[in-house]
Amino acid sequence: SSELTQAPTVSVALGQTVTITCRGASLRTYYASWYQQKPGQAPILVMYGNNKRPSGIPDRFSGSSSGDTASLSVTGAEAEDEADYYCSSRDSRDTSSRNLVLFGGGTKLTVL
Amino acid sequence: EVQLVESGGELVQPGRSLRLFCAASGFSFDDYAMHWVRQAPGKGLEWVSGISWTGESIGFADSVKGRFTISRDNAKNSLYLQMNSLRVEDTAFYYCVKDIVQGGSSSWFDSWGQGTLVTVST
Repeated sequence: SSELTQAPTVSVALGQTVTITCRGASLRTYYASWYQQKPGQAPILVMYGNNKRPSGIPDRFSGSSSGDTASLSVTGAEAEDEADYYCSSRDSRDTSSRNLVLFGGGTKLTVL
Repeated sequence: EVQLVESGGELVQPGRSLRLFCAASGFSFDDYAMHWVRQAPGKGLEWVSGISWTGESIGFADSVKGRFTISRDNAKNSLYLQMNSLRVEDTAFYYCVKDIVQGGSSSWFDSWGQGTLVTVST
């Protein structure tokens, strides 16, 4: 399969920890990246590779991967973390370096 | 500061063609793979096409293969997307995005433009 599957919605109480998961066969071969998108804005990269955070991303965001599943965790969720989150990875069908990429369907995170 | 500015989006009839442009600045454009990602209004992200920093390696999503072409002009710091035989389902914001790895292709996108809207409708 060449898909990445995410739960459509997840909620978390303010200050608590939440984990958003992404599942797909490509994740057995490639690390995921994660993007946060707020309404009316372009996505921003929040996690990539093996738990790497771009500069400016708070350390309450962390990533992990096991088998066919990648996870993005937010420890101590804040109101500003409410957004859509998308996972992405190289497509494992890309055997000739054609830069094929997959996105998950996205998870809407609600901070209660 | 990295800047990616897309242009070229407009209302077009089904079956017609359109060319999108992305003007890049603030980094060594010719060192990075570049991609187009689209998002239909109210929907999720969909990768459309990518091109290596040399322009030698190119890929397309199945949904646009044979209709869209991607190219770059490293001398002009510009990325292009030629869209032919447009369909109603191609309606979306089209984002120009930059790979994070210099001289390689990780498919991790650290910079995004603000997008240009393509509307395909009669």
